[in-house]
Amino acid sequence: QKEVEQDPGPLSVPEGAIVSLNCTYSNSAFQYFMWYRQYSRKGPELLMYTYSSGNKEDGRFTAQVDKSSKYISLFIRDSQPSDSATYLCAMKAPYGGSQGNLIFGKGTKLSVKP
Amino acid sequence: DTAVSQTPKYLVTQMGNDKSIKCEQNLGHDTMYWYKQDSKKFLKIMFSYNNKELIINETVPNRFSPKSPDKAHLNLHINSLELGDSAVYFCASSQPGQGAGETQYFGPGTRLLVL
Repeated sequence: QKEVEQDPGPLSVPEGAIVSLNCTYSNSAFQYFMWYRQYSRKGPELLMYTYSSGNKEDGRFTAQVDKSSKYISLFIRDSQPSDSATYLCAMKAPYGGSQGNLIFGKGTKLSVKP
Repeated sequence: DTAVSQTPKYLVTQMGNDKSIKCEQNLGHDTMYWYKQDSKKFLKIMFSYNNKELIINETVPNRFSPKSPDKAHLNLHINSLELGDSAVYFCASSQPGQGAGETQYFGPGTRLLVL
């Protein structure tokens, strides 16, 4: 079992839809959970960050972490064509060295149609 | 102002050649990284490096070597290039001890194609 599992999609939704993106993980030591957005031919950029369990909201984006289920989600409300990108979940344990590496999911490619 | 920059953006070369990719960050960060993103978009760490410590992912062949002339630069040297090295290579940087799990800032990527 890979450390982080993420459905690669592609996921296609109409403009204005609510989008739900998810990742599961196996390492219970992960404490930091992030969502990165990667536009085509660009580098990943941090979208949301959550420490431990709970919800975090930023504009149209909400990140949720359920450590008991080892499951994280990103919700996008009122999706826009400009949200079309690949979304990568990433997580990290609070250790130094290689045990503290940022581990990425494979990314979900999202397309929002006008 | 580009926070993390990489050169070149594209690199096409023959098998067996040696090549380098350069990375510079102007964020004042102490830690820099190299990642490889394969054709399936899977992003995997190759190295992390600060002034004190180089951490190598054990799956990285020793044909790959990072070189850091100073804190703001981490270059990637690749010897005896192989077809399987074709990928997009991303440089990133972060500041240890910062909140947000040490947010990593990524460069735009270098697309390497080995023929």
